[in-house]
Amino acid sequence: DAGVIQSPRHEVTEMGQEVTLRCKPISGHNSLFWYRQTMMRGLELLIYFNNNVPIDDSGMPEDRFSAKMPNASFSTLKIQPSEPRDSAVYFCASSLTRGSSYEQYFGPGTRLTVT
Amino acid sequence: AQSVTQLGSHVSVSEGALVLLRCNYSSSVPPYLFWYVQYPNQGLQLLLKYTSAATLVKGINDFEAEFKKSETSLHLTKPSAHMSDAAEYFCAVSGNTGKLIFGQGTTLQVKP
Repeated sequence: DAGVIQSPRHEVTEMGQEVTLRCKPISGHNSLFWYRQTMMRGLELLIYFNNNVPIDDSGMPEDRFSAKMPNASFSTLKIQPSEPRDSAVYFCASSLTRGSSYEQYFGPGTRLTVT
Repeated sequence: AQSVTQLGSHVSVSEGALVLLRCNYSSSVPPYLFWYVQYPNQGLQLLLKYTSAATLVKGINDFEAEFKKSETSLHLTKPSAHMSDAAEYFCAVSGNTGKLIFGQGTTLQVKP
C-alpha cells in the first residue's frame, strides 16, 4: 500500500492567494483527518470526515478554511485568502473505524509558507 | 472526555542508555492508546498501540510499553537508545468516536 498521499509537499504563496492542499487516504479506510502543526500550537485537529461526511469541524480556525471530501479516495483543504499566520505543516491522516482500534496513518505533510 | 498528559517536553539520554517516556491518560471508556514517533520533516509514524489484549505491548524499533490501569499510564521504554531514536514522540488516546486526542509531545535527544 502506498500509504496516505499528500500534495504538494511544499507550497509557498503570497498573502491573499488561494491555497489548496490535497490528500489521498489509504484505500479501504473510512475516516480522514486534517491536522495542522506549528511550533506554537503543536498538533491541532482541524476537521475529520467519516464515510465522506464531515463529522467535526470545530478545529477549523475561521471561515477562510474549508474542506471537502467528494469521494472515498480524495479530500481537499482550501485556504482562501491565505495569511502569513497560516504558515504551518498540514497533515492528512486516515483510519478504519469499523471493528478496529482507530489507529491513524499519517501522510508526509504539506509545508505551507505564506509570505 | 479523554485527555493525555506527557510528562516532560524534553528528555535527554546517552546513547546506549534506557529510554523512558511517560504518558498518563484520562478516559471515561476503556481506552485505546497509541505512541507515535515523528522524525524531523516527516509525518507521524505509529510506534505501537494498546488495545487491551495484553498489558505489555511491543512496537517497532525495539520500543515497548506497559499499560498500568491503576496508574492510568502507558509509558514507553527502550532498553538501549540509538542516535537514530532522536525524534519527537506523541502519546494519544481514543475512545469510541474515531478521534485521537494527542499529548503535547516529548522531544527525545540522544547524546553520543
